[in-house]
Amino acid sequence: ETGVTQSPTHLIKTRGQQVTLRCSSQSGHNTVSWYQQALGQGPQFIFQYYREEENGRGNFPPRFSGLQFPNYSSELNVNALELDDSALYLCASSLARNTGELFFGEGSRLTVL
Amino acid sequence: LAKTTQPISMDSYEGQEVNITCSHNNIATNDYITWYQQFPSQGPRFIIQGYKTKVTNEVASLFIPADRKSSTLSLPRVSLSDTAVYYCLVGDRVNNDMRFGAGTRLTVKP
Repeated sequence: ETGVTQSPTHLIKTRGQQVTLRCSSQSGHNTVSWYQQALGQGPQFIFQYYREEENGRGNFPPRFSGLQFPNYSSELNVNALELDDSALYLCASSLARNTGELFFGEGSRLTVL
Repeated sequence: LAKTTQPISMDSYEGQEVNITCSHNNIATNDYITWYQQFPSQGPRFIIQGYKTKVTNEVASLFIPADRKSSTLSLPRVSLSDTAVYYCLVGDRVNNDMRFGAGTRLTVKP
């Protein structure tokens, strides 16, 4: 158990819809990172939030956006869903923004039909 | 950000030592090296992190040569429960970007 919780665990959407995924970070962690993991592949870095501001971004289009709240929990929003967005979305929290020691949640499995 | 290359898969037997090597030829001066373990349908779990030379904790050792162009994760006396995918990552301190490669699927046999 890492203390990082994600919701929902599973969801199904249709192409063109919007989705919001939520993450509660481990107590004391001020940094949250989001990853997308397609089946059979390694996680791909989407972005990181540190103290409510975006602090790094991977190669994802602007329709992937996020928020971090004062309690350091976070949301990942994806607009105009595409079939290729079907994946496991992982949230990870950490004590600092430039550390390699991330604590991952169990993920949210998104299926886009 | 430095790209990492690992073997796609490895097999081992219970009780053996397993060494998984990762290449990261373009590693930058301030980048760090981290290894994760992932079981199916679970989030990755941190194993060990290092910058240079050797690091050891209760579950693994990490060997990094002087040129830092590669690193080796060493798992002593593996068991069946060590069957998982192992990822080598190079972390960019400047851009806070940490990218996973394709990983190495380790299968431990009885």
